[in-house]
Amino acid sequence: GQQVMQIPQYQHVQEGEDFTTYCNSSTTLSNIQWYKQRPGGHPVFLIQLVKSGEVKKQKRLTFQFGEAKKNSSLHITATQTTDVGTYFCAGRTGTYKYIFGTGTRLKVLA
Amino acid sequence: DVKVTQSSRYLVKRTGEKVFLECVQDMDHENMFWYRQDPGLGLRLIYFSYDVKMKEKGDIPEGYSVSREKKERFSLILESASTNQTSMYLCASSLLEDTEAFFGQGTRLTVV
Repeated sequence: GQQVMQIPQYQHVQEGEDFTTYCNSSTTLSNIQWYKQRPGGHPVFLIQLVKSGEVKKQKRLTFQFGEAKKNSSLHITATQTTDVGTYFCAGRTGTYKYIFGTGTRLKVLA
Repeated sequence: DVKVTQSSRYLVKRTGEKVFLECVQDMDHENMFWYRQDPGLGLRLIYFSYDVKMKEKGDIPEGYSVSREKKERFSLILESASTNQTSMYLCASSLLEDTEAFFGQGTRLTVV
């Protein structure tokens, strides 16, 4: 079946270091969304990418959508303790259907 | 702000019980979803609905059913709860097919 793999599963970084999580789909995606889930919380939408090769920035966060629309990445520059949480990608594979990646849990050590 | 409210934060039920999880959204969204979240597996779609009385199976519908009698309310039903349905259940809604999803706070269900 269709899958969206996300790596790494866990990442511990020192505050101030950079962090990247990657999403890879077995099929071409219509678009991809990114969500953040704080510990004990629910997923909150961050951004959506639609076009092949698209790059979007939100302050210290940079999101990319691959040329083939099968992969995506989220890069955080100079992590802060407020970045702690699990980051999920969600790829749209069909009508109304998004497949979520397995998530990357980020821990930031002060 | 969009609010998606799930009826319970924590539930403990016995094996074989019929369980109802309720979800209400207040922003007139067309689409509603039920996911379950398990460690290492991410969020998996159980059922979704794009209109009142309409429902579609997601990736893991077995053992579940849903009901959407009103636009703002989407219920998940476990016909006969089993221990392998112990999980975090998340409800979500979205305005359109390709817009962001808003999630409820989740219901942690334990089946004993």
